[in-house]
Amino acid sequence: DTAVSQTPKYLVTQMGNDKSIKCEQNLGHDTMYWYKQDSKKFLKIMFSYNNKELIINETVPNRFSPKSPDKAHLNLHINSLELGDSAVYFCASSPTGVNSPLHFGNGTRLTVT
Amino acid sequence: QKEVEQNSGPLSVPEGAIASLNCTYSDRVSQSFFWYRQYSGKSPELIMSIYSNGDKEDGRFTAQLNKASQYVSLLIRDSQPSDSATYLCAAGYQKVTFGIGTKLQVIP
Repeated sequence: DTAVSQTPKYLVTQMGNDKSIKCEQNLGHDTMYWYKQDSKKFLKIMFSYNNKELIINETVPNRFSPKSPDKAHLNLHINSLELGDSAVYFCASSPTGVNSPLHFGNGTRLTVT
Repeated sequence: QKEVEQNSGPLSVPEGAIASLNCTYSDRVSQSFFWYRQYSGKSPELIMSIYSNGDKEDGRFTAQLNKASQYVSLLIRDSQPSDSATYLCAAGYQKVTFGIGTKLQVIP
């Protein structure tokens, strides 16, 4: 299946822990993203990579570090998790850059206790 | 602050009616405009993209763009209960910003 796939689907962890979310797309897209959707359902961009190069880095705590080993993969590592990090994190990709439509993964629901 | 404004709803329409969803954006240089549909607990999926002034139709969906008024709308004709979802408007140039989404309820 051609898609954007991210793992895990659910992540429950305690404050202070470090966790990673992985994302892979087999659509051949050049640009990948991380979005955060909070409890109010507001979808906000965090990072964007184009061909492994960081092109968008929103005001996100340094505890969040994206890594793109190749243009098909974009991972998100979060250090020292806080209660406020609880949200759904969506990976997405687009074919030709930030002005083209997004294809979203199924999301990772992160709950920090 | 570049913003995309939507009424969060819910917008309730009877089955078979036309649902009209509206959105305004603040960044005048926005070039790309999108409507996404998000079912509860699911990821957003693209419904329509529009890049120039006027109307764009795809099946039961029509997107309308007026750059002078900084206004984007989505019309859903012959609304079905399966259209019940949250509709996210997105706009931008170098970066796409999403609105809060309008929850649509289609009543059988």
